[in-house]
Amino acid sequence: EDQVTQSPEALRLQEGESSSLNCSYTVSGLRGLFWYRQDPGKGPEFLFTLYSAGEEKEKERLKATLTKKESFLHITAPKPEDSATYLCAVTSGSRLTFGEGTQLTVNP
Amino acid sequence: NAGVMQNPRHLVRRRGQEARLRCSPMKGHSHVYWYRQLPEEGLKFMVYLQKENIIDESGMPKERFSAEFPKEGPSILRIQQVVRGDSAAYFCASSPRGGADVSTIQYFGAGTRLSVL
Repeated sequence: EDQVTQSPEALRLQEGESSSLNCSYTVSGLRGLFWYRQDPGKGPEFLFTLYSAGEEKEKERLKATLTKKESFLHITAPKPEDSATYLCAVTSGSRLTFGEGTQLTVNP
Repeated sequence: NAGVMQNPRHLVRRRGQEARLRCSPMKGHSHVYWYRQLPEEGLKFMVYLQKENIIDESGMPKERFSAEFPKEGPSILRIQQVVRGDSAAYFCASSPRGGADVSTIQYFGAGTRLSVL
């Protein structure tokens, strides 16, 4: 059974203070690791997908990396509008298995 | 290009009533997935459908829950005789491809928040 563990559960940063979110996973045959952003009262918004160890993707202040056991979401010089819950998910077939998310708060 | 559309956004039912949640996938998408997010919990897979076919319903409770994706019209998640424990946010996602295609990205709707009184 696929499993995803995200840490920390919550993270509070000052504007401009860079940090990383962790996603550890166990999956039988990884077909993709996904990062989503979820704002309160809304659905998950797709950010990145990674397929193989060593792969990296960037979008604005976010950078996602992947190893054989975990993924990191690096946030460089965050702004208050980056405040959200960040979800990690893996798939070994068609369904996504999600972690419980990291709730990020960026204070001005 | 409209995204995944779910309605209603909020649904209130009394115990024992039926709840019907609708999902229209993105244009060009023929694969639909339903997930449930219970309070203080992560998103959990329920069911995966293509047009007129249920592909994987292994995450669906065995009783009271059913899903369909007809040839015409939206996908429907139906919950019969709702109980308080069914209160949750139900999200629908769609993709242009599914199954073994590694490039499949699932795009989510805004969800339906079901409250059972």
